Amino acid sequence: QVQLQESGPGLVKPSQTLSLTCTVSGGSISSGSYYWSWIRQPAGKGLEWIGRIYTDGSTNYNPSLKSRVTISLDTSKNQFSLKLSSVTAADTAVYYCARVEFSRLAFDYWGQGTLVTVSS
Amino acid sequence: DIQMTQSPSSLSASVGDRVTITCRASQSISSYLNWYQQTPGKAPKLLIYAASSLQSGVPSRFTGSGSGTDFTLTISSLQPEDFATYYCQQSYITPYTFGQGTKLEIK
Repeated sequence: QVQLQESGPGLVKPSQTLSLTCTVSGGSISSGSYYWSWIRQPAGKGLEWIGRIYTDGSTNYNPSLKSRVTISLDTSKNQFSLKLSSVTAADTAVYYCARVEFSRLAFDYWGQGTLVTVSS
Repeated sequence: DIQMTQSPSSLSASVGDRVTITCRASQSISSYLNWYQQTPGKAPKLLIYAASSLQSGVPSRFTGSGSGTDFTLTISSLQPEDFATYYCQQSYITPYTFGQGTKLEIK
């Protein structure tokens, strides 16, 4: 059974960089059949796709965040990571990592989510 | 970006009712439409992918239909565990986008 688990600081100061890691268990992140994505959800609001990475390291980002986002892969640790720079209070949200399987093109496995608050 | 619009935004229903939620895309997305269920404090759960395919383990009372720009999610006989928020999501093109959600509440 595939499991995803987010980790990282729950509190980030304004203008600093938010850094989160997603650890994948029960399957290899190097498999060529998946994209690995980050999604966020402000409290009481809807879902926003942040971006995705493929096993070859290629990425796609939401244009609304593209200038501030970096997603990377560490196959040796079976992890992928999110960095979001120059954060403001508007970046306060629950951040999820999720898997997209090619044949479904849907988010079929999700992490439990981690709340990141941007505050001084 | 493709805009996804769900209706209604909220819905009250009773156990045993049949309910339908609608999702409209701002342009054609073929059948690249997925439905998720989210309960408070939990991650979304995939119910339907490719507009009408039932994800493994999801009860058959959930059905999806549609193509192009108009899609529906139907729950044939509501169970207590179905009261949640439902989201549609297009995977036709990045950036992937979600509907604003439909909150299904107990009447």
